[in-house]
Amino acid sequence: EPEVTQTPSHQVTQMGQEVILRCVPISNHLYFYWYRQILGQKVEFLVSFYNNEISEKSEIFDDQFSVERPDGSNFTLKIRSTKLEDSAMYFCASSVHLNTEAFFGQGTRLTVV
Amino acid sequence: AQSVSQHNHHVILSEAASLELGCNYSYGGTVNLFWYVQYPGQHLQLLLKYFSGDPLVKGIKGFEAEFIKSKFSFNLRKPSVQWSDTAEYFCAVGANNAGNMLTFGGGTRLMVKP
Repeated sequence: EPEVTQTPSHQVTQMGQEVILRCVPISNHLYFYWYRQILGQKVEFLVSFYNNEISEKSEIFDDQFSVERPDGSNFTLKIRSTKLEDSAMYFCASSVHLNTEAFFGQGTRLTVV
Repeated sequence: AQSVSQHNHHVILSEAASLELGCNYSYGGTVNLFWYVQYPGQHLQLLLKYFSGDPLVKGIKGFEAEFIKSKFSFNLRKPSVQWSDTAEYFCAVGANNAGNMLTFGGGTRLMVKP
């Protein structure tokens, strides 16, 4: 069964460093998403991406965040200068169309120290 | 803005007990509704979804949910739980014109005792 894969599973970084979280969506999917879950809190929407551009973003997705589809398979989330409060589980998801179910990856646990 | 409430944070049941997890949302427009499950150490998996049509939705593993528009609710049910249902369950809502820009509830951690 096709699945969304994320790497790495766990990333530890120092405050102020840049991190790139990687995702390989399901191959025939057209819509891509990033969500995050801070420990003990709700899963929160960050951004959706379609046709090589951001289609929606939340208030959380400020200038320190960016997304990119650098090639035909990868979808990345970059955090430019990490802060302690960026520590969270980051989930990538993809869907075929806008109103079809999203499939989630296993997540990348980001720890900022 | 949308919000989703799951009233039960932790539920402990014995095997064969019936399950109902509450989910209420606030949003004025047409919505898509989802229940996701996260087994320990695994990714979020879709249990069931409602986009339109019959408000009683059947999902995988014997789960079902009922959309009651007048109550803004989408409660998850299972007549008889198994130990393997131990997991965290998330209700999620998306505005019909915003697809998978989902608002999640806080999750309900279910423990089923053998």
